[in-house]
Amino acid sequence: GAVVSQHPSWVICKSGTSVKIECRSLDFQATTMFWYRQFPKQSLMLMATSNEGSKATYEQGVEKDKFLINHASLTLSTLTVTSAHPEDSSFYICSAPTEGNHGYTFGSGTRLTVV
Amino acid sequence: SQQGEEDPQALSIQEGENATMNCSYKTSINNLQWYRQNSGRGLVHLILIRSNEREKHSGRLRVTLDTSKKSSSLLITASRAADTASYFCATAFDYKLSFGAGTTVTVRA
Repeated sequence: GAVVSQHPSWVICKSGTSVKIECRSLDFQATTMFWYRQFPKQSLMLMATSNEGSKATYEQGVEKDKFLINHASLTLSTLTVTSAHPEDSSFYICSAPTEGNHGYTFGSGTRLTVV
Repeated sequence: SQQGEEDPQALSIQEGENATMNCSYKTSINNLQWYRQNSGRGLVHLILIRSNEREKHSGRLRVTLDTSKKSSSLLITASRAADTASYFCATAFDYKLSFGAGTTVTVRA
């Protein structure tokens, strides 16, 4: 079945640095990728939608200059958390629509800890 | 954005028992999907039910959808310890998913 590979699975960074998270669709073309963040014991909150070859669409309240999204190819979308601060510590997950009745395929998530 | 609520928030059952969780939503949908999330991991798609469907089965899973009440339920029959996870409903409209708050299910051996 469809697989979205997400890396890294966890990262610890210092305040002020930037972190890049990658999501690759391994056996299908993902023209659209959704990026979510999830705080402990809470639901997933949609941050932005990236479309291959065009600008990402950000949800209300999400700073586009802080969370840079690039979707340069049909198999790769990246999220860069710029100038990270401790409040950015969270679980970030990507997902892509899958054809047929198979819902969406999710990456395995990235646990970001900013110290 | 979070679409609605799920209840219960948490559920603890004995292995072999059935687990039922409910999901309510607020807006129009194309379909409703259920996902499972093991602690600290990504989400796994379980089942999708379209807005014109009322009930769907997949193995030990049974999903119902009542669009007039804007609600859905997920039944897991004959639960196993491996079913311990958080379960989320998600409504789909215009390709966007909006997730419920989730139900944490613990299956005791």
